[in-house]
Amino acid sequence: DTAVSQTPKYLVTQMGNDKSIKCEQNLGHDTMYWYKQDSKKFLKIMFSYNNKELIINETVPNRFSPKSPDKAHLNLHINSLELGDSAVYFCASSQEGTQWTDTQYFGPGTRLTVL
Amino acid sequence: ILNVEQSPQSLHVQEGDSTNFTCSFPSSNFYALHWYRWETAKSPEALFVMTLNGDEKKKGRISATLNTKEGYSYLYIKGSQPEDSATYLCAFMRGATNKLIFGTGTLLAVQP
Repeated sequence: DTAVSQTPKYLVTQMGNDKSIKCEQNLGHDTMYWYKQDSKKFLKIMFSYNNKELIINETVPNRFSPKSPDKAHLNLHINSLELGDSAVYFCASSQEGTQWTDTQYFGPGTRLTVL
Repeated sequence: ILNVEQSPQSLHVQEGDSTNFTCSFPSSNFYALHWYRWETAKSPEALFVMTLNGDEKKKGRISATLNTKEGYSYLYIKGSQPEDSATYLCAFMRGATNKLIFGTGTLLAVQP
C-alpha cells in the first residue's frame, strides 16, 4: 500500500492552462505539505496544512492554491501556468502533534512540464 | 537568509569503505534537524530526526551526530554497500515553525 500517493506522476501542459495535482495519504497523519524541487534540486516548502487548516504559506505566487477537503487529502491547483512552473512537486505528510519533530513521509513526486 | 549547506556535494567510494558527510546550519534558535535518504526515482525517506545537542542516532550501519552550538551534523556510513548509493539530505527547522529548510544533499555512489 502506498502511504503518500500523488496523481498524476507526469503532467505536460501548455502555458496559460490551469491544472491540479492530487495528493492522498493513508497514514492517518494530521499535517500535509507541498514542496517544489527547483532547478538546483533544492526542496522548498510551499504550503502546509494541519487538520485542513493552512499553517505555512510561503511566498508562492497566488496562482498556486492548495485545497484540503479532508485531512487525508491536499490538492494543489495551479492557474495560468508559466514556463517557470516546470518542476517536480512533492507532497508529504507527518503525524505532528504539537512538537513539529515528526518525520515527513514523501510522495513519489509529480513532474510538471509547461511548454 | 537561512542557509543549510551540505558537503561534499558528491562522493564516490568503494564497497566496504566507511564514509561521512556534513550538514551545516545556523546555530541560533535551533529546533530540529532531519536526515533523509533519497534514491533516484524514489521519494525521500526519513533516516533520523535530531533535537538535542550531543544527540547520536543509529540505524544499522548509518549513524548521525548533532552539534547545535556550532551548527553542524555528521552522517556516517560504516562499510558502504552499493545499495547505500543515494542522495543524503539534511533539513533544518528553526523554531517550532514546522518548516523544514533542506540542503542540496550529498550524492553518494558506492562502487562494487
